[in-house]
Parts: sequence; structure tokens; C-alpha cells
Amino acid sequence: DIQMTQSPSSLSASVGDRVTITCRASQSISRYLNWYQQKPGKAPNLLIYAASSLQSGVPSRFSGSGSGTDFTLTISSLQPEDFATYYCQHKYSTSWTFGQGTKVEI
Amino acid sequence: EVQLVESGGGLVQPGGSLRLSCAASGFIFSSYWMRWVRQAPGKGLEWVANIKQDGSEKYYVDSVKGRFTISRDNAKNSLYLQMNTLRAEDTAVYYCARAAVTTYYDALDIWGQGTMVTVSS
Repeated sequence: DIQMTQSPSSLSASVGDRVTITCRASQSISRYLNWYQQKPGKAPNLLIYAASSLQSGVPSRFSGSGSGTDFTLTISSLQPEDFATYYCQHKYSTSWTFGQGTKVEI
Repeated sequence: EVQLVESGGGLVQPGGSLRLSCAASGFIFSSYWMRWVRQAPGKGLEWVANIKQDGSEKYYVDSVKGRFTISRDNAKNSLYLQMNTLRAEDTAVYYCARAAVTTYYDALDIWGQGTMVTVSS
């Protein structure tokens, strides 16, 4: 199975900061990498699919990049509503795996 | 409005069974792969099971193989998860989700609100 390592596990930031979260795969997964945001008590919400495509309705301050084994989610200017937990997720063969999550706190 | 609504969660004893349901509306249910994803209290997300549009392909995470069965009824726009021989470690919020799948991507674009399953004596 492919392992997904997400870092950091948590981070503290302020409104207006640029935030970067990394997801590393144990082997190449091409661009089958998605990013989700989850707020407490709520279902996850798709932000980025195929490594860099912005889901409809998601603000443009969110962006994704990478291919192969290393991927990045960037929030260009953190807003109050962005404080949440973020998960990467990949699909390889018939296995679908989430990263451990990154909690973005004030 | 595109919507998924789960039901059927609750408290069950170890070794017991439970059947979760997910009612879909606002989209052509029979055109999409569907998935179950769970989240144990205070933990991260874990994919549980997948089912193809016509039910001909099903996949499971190793920890539930032989115990859980995913199914669907396209005439009723409904997804199901039959959970047998439940264990304490199956305690989680269970989400159903719609999968947008192409040659280039495979992502969960619509999620239900989740239903809580607690396995405890």
C-alpha cells in the first residue's frame, strides 16, 4: 500500500498569512491527489482535485501543486473561515487513502 | 439541490449488526461511483468502501473485508452499508460521498452530513 505523509500535523497562523501544507507519497501517484477541508462537526469539503484543479465554488486563495510523490496545498492569504483541518487523499489502483490531516489554528 | 442524507446509525453491542442508508437527491445517482468514509472520534478520515454505478464492482478497506457489504438501489437513489460483526474500533461517524471519477482524477465532491455508529457494551 502507498503511504501518505502529511506535514505539519498542526500549525499556528494569523489572518493574512500564507500557509503551505505538504503531502508526500511513498511512491509515485501521478496527479491522483486531492485536498479537503473539514471544520469541526462538519463533513469534509473538496478544495482541490487532480493535484491542482480548483473545485467549483472554492476561493482562488486556495491552490495546489505537485506531481509524482510531493504535493502542496497553499492558502495565499489566510481568512478567518479557513481555520480548519485539511486532508490530502489519493487513489492508487483500488486503494483510496487519506493523509493524517493538518490542523490550522490561530 | 444536490444532497446526500445518511441514516441508520446508533449504539450497537460488539458482534452486532447495523445497516446504514444514504438517500441521494438532486443528481443522477446511477451515473456515479459512491463511497463510504468514516472518522473515529478525534481521528482522521478513513475510506471504507466503494461501489460502481451498476454495483458490478465493489472495493473495501482491509479492516472491514468480510464484515461489511456495500450495495445500492438505483431505482431508489439509495446507497447502503451492511455492517456485521461490529467491533469497538468501528466506532465512527460514517459519511457517504459521491465520487467524481474520470481518467484524470478521482475525488469525493459531495458528502452527506454523517451518521454516528457507536459499538459498545
